[in-house]
Amino acid sequence: GAVVSQHPSRVICKSGTSVKIECRSLDFQATTMFWYRQFPKQSLMLMATSNEGSKATYEQGVEKDKFLINHASLTLSTLTVTSAHPEDSSFYICSASVRSSTDTQYFGPGTRLTVL
Amino acid sequence: RKEVEQDPGPFNVPEGATVAFNCTYSNSASQSFFWYRQDCRKEPKLLMSVYSSGNEDGRFTAQLNRASQYISLLIRDSKLSDSATYLCVVNKRGDSWGKLQFGAGTQVVVTP
Repeated sequence: GAVVSQHPSRVICKSGTSVKIECRSLDFQATTMFWYRQFPKQSLMLMATSNEGSKATYEQGVEKDKFLINHASLTLSTLTVTSAHPEDSSFYICSASVRSSTDTQYFGPGTRLTVL
Repeated sequence: RKEVEQDPGPFNVPEGATVAFNCTYSNSASQSFFWYRQDCRKEPKLLMSVYSSGNEDGRFTAQLNRASQYISLLIRDSKLSDSATYLCVVNKRGDSWGKLQFGAGTQVVVTP
């Protein structure tokens, strides 16, 4: 199956700092990448959808100025959590897909963010 | 009401036994259905898509009931390695392509 990587896998930072998370599709070109957030014992919540070369589409309630998404190429999307606060601590997961007759998404291994 | 609802479990299953659980979805326009598996503190991995006619993949059988708006997953001859959280996932017709709605998951614990 398709491989998606995320970096870093884990990050601990102080409140007020910004954190960048990278999502890469390693063996395919991803037309679309998705960013999710998952709090403990809760479902994955879609934060935004990004298409290569265009602005990301954010879900209701997600601040686009706080969660900056860049999808500069067909293999790389980045999520930057700006001025992180403890309530931003979560498991951030990206997924990538190729627009086709199926909508299978391939997930990255996730990034666990802890804001002190 | 949540878009996708699942019994959180846990379902404690003896090794070798069969376990089945459902997931209900609220939007009748839902078009695509999947079961994902998520291990503790890991990313979700696609287990199987769910087709209208029902489908089977080894020990796993998925069914779709559009009239009652639920999908089911049955695991036969449970293995210890089947212990995980199973996520029900649906895509809504009319939504932007690829937008998926996730359930909170059903935890399955297979015991020796």
